[in-house]
Amino acid sequence: SQQGEEDPQALSIQEGENATMNCSYKTSINNLQWYRQNSGRGLVHLILIRSNEREKHSGRLRVTLDTSKKSSSLLITASRAADTASYFCASRAGSNDYKLSFGAGTTVTVRA
Amino acid sequence: NAGVTQTPKFQVLKTGQSMTLQCAQDMNHNSMYWYRQDPGMGLRLIYYSASEGTTDKGEVPNGYNVSRLNKREFSLRLESAAPSQTSVYFCASTPGDSSVYGYTFGSGTRLTVV
Repeated sequence: SQQGEEDPQALSIQEGENATMNCSYKTSINNLQWYRQNSGRGLVHLILIRSNEREKHSGRLRVTLDTSKKSSSLLITASRAADTASYFCASRAGSNDYKLSFGAGTTVTVRA
Repeated sequence: NAGVTQTPKFQVLKTGQSMTLQCAQDMNHNSMYWYRQDPGMGLRLIYYSASEGTTDKGEVPNGYNVSRLNKREFSLRLESAAPSQTSVYFCASTPGDSSVYGYTFGSGTRLTVV
């Protein structure tokens, strides 16, 4: 079963606006990761946030983690057409597993 | 360029045919994974190999077999293809514990079973 669930399923924004998507997970985690997938391509690792971190930045990306609510958010600031993609959160499925479990993703469309 | 290479990129099979999807990485990663991606369902783990010489089942292993040929190569075999196996298949690798390191993905194999 999927560990993470993203919300919303789809998001359409104007170029220059910010995009925010959320991820909820079911079990305790070691860390949570975000990936991007452009149409017809493989997934690309964006950022990893550890369970003892609350916020992390990478360029125009900002990730937060709230372990008490079992949730994370990904913010893309000043969006560009090239940010059009699907975004997935992923986390360890269980304490004895080290393989990642992915959510169904959020599809982001940035309009010019 | 360093990364994960998958072959073939596209394949059409008839029901009952067999085939092997190939995956190779040149990053000296220990762990390798096979996922399938279906519309609206995200990625589901088929099999993984934590290290050379070991393989384990994931969430949806039925109908598949794998071989970790060496540290670089991890193949996925469909012995008797079924239409339900129509999907996009991704291979990925990590240096070790995937909860510490991110995955590096291949570009995928788009498989259609008719």
